[in-house]
Amino acid sequence: EMQVVESGGGLIQPGGSLRLSCAASGFTVSNNSVNWVRQAPGKGLEWVSVVHTGGSTYYADSVKGRFTISRDNSKNTVFLQMNSLRAEDTAVYYCARDSRFGEGVLGTWGLGTLVTVSS
Amino acid sequence: EIVMTQSPATLSVSPGERATLSCRASQGIGTNLAWYHHKPGQAPRLLIYDASTRATGIPARFSGSGSGREFTLTISRLQSEDFAIYYCQQYNNWPPAWTFGQGTKVEVK
Repeated sequence: EMQVVESGGGLIQPGGSLRLSCAASGFTVSNNSVNWVRQAPGKGLEWVSVVHTGGSTYYADSVKGRFTISRDNSKNTVFLQMNSLRAEDTAVYYCARDSRFGEGVLGTWGLGTLVTVSS
Repeated sequence: EIVMTQSPATLSVSPGERATLSCRASQGIGTNLAWYHHKPGQAPRLLIYDASTRATGIPARFSGSGSGREFTLTISRLQSEDFAIYYCQQYNNWPPAWTFGQGTKVEVK
């Protein structure tokens, strides 16, 4: 069974940094595209970033230049390095694998990890 | 950016009845549209992709339709587990810039 488990969330001050992890099982991150999607309190889902099978990375405009997605194939884990955090980055961050149905069709999701940016 | 707009924001339906949810894209996206089911504290779940194809294991009471800018998700004979928030999402851009609608909450009438 394919699963992803997010970790690394917490309370951080504005301007601070945090690194989220997405540990995968049942599939290899090197052979799959993996996304980060977030949900701010009381809001809908917002796509954040993706690392493709070939290693290409893409970001939403709202996080470009501040967030970096990467993966460690040996640990079968995808990371989201978040720098210069703002109050508006407060959200539950979900990791989601592209399904076999196509790019951008998010088939396997985790339960999320909460990031709170506040002084 | 392609903006996705869902309506209504909240839909009150009795168990066993039908629910019809709408999603509109700010520009044409062909059939590059997915629907997701989400309950608080749970992982979102893929229901429909390519506008009308049910994902693996999704019951036949869920159906999707539409193309271009207008899309519909229909849930026939609502069951207790169906009361949740539903999101549409487009995956038409390249490079990737996927966008979601703001969600429709289906609640018990």
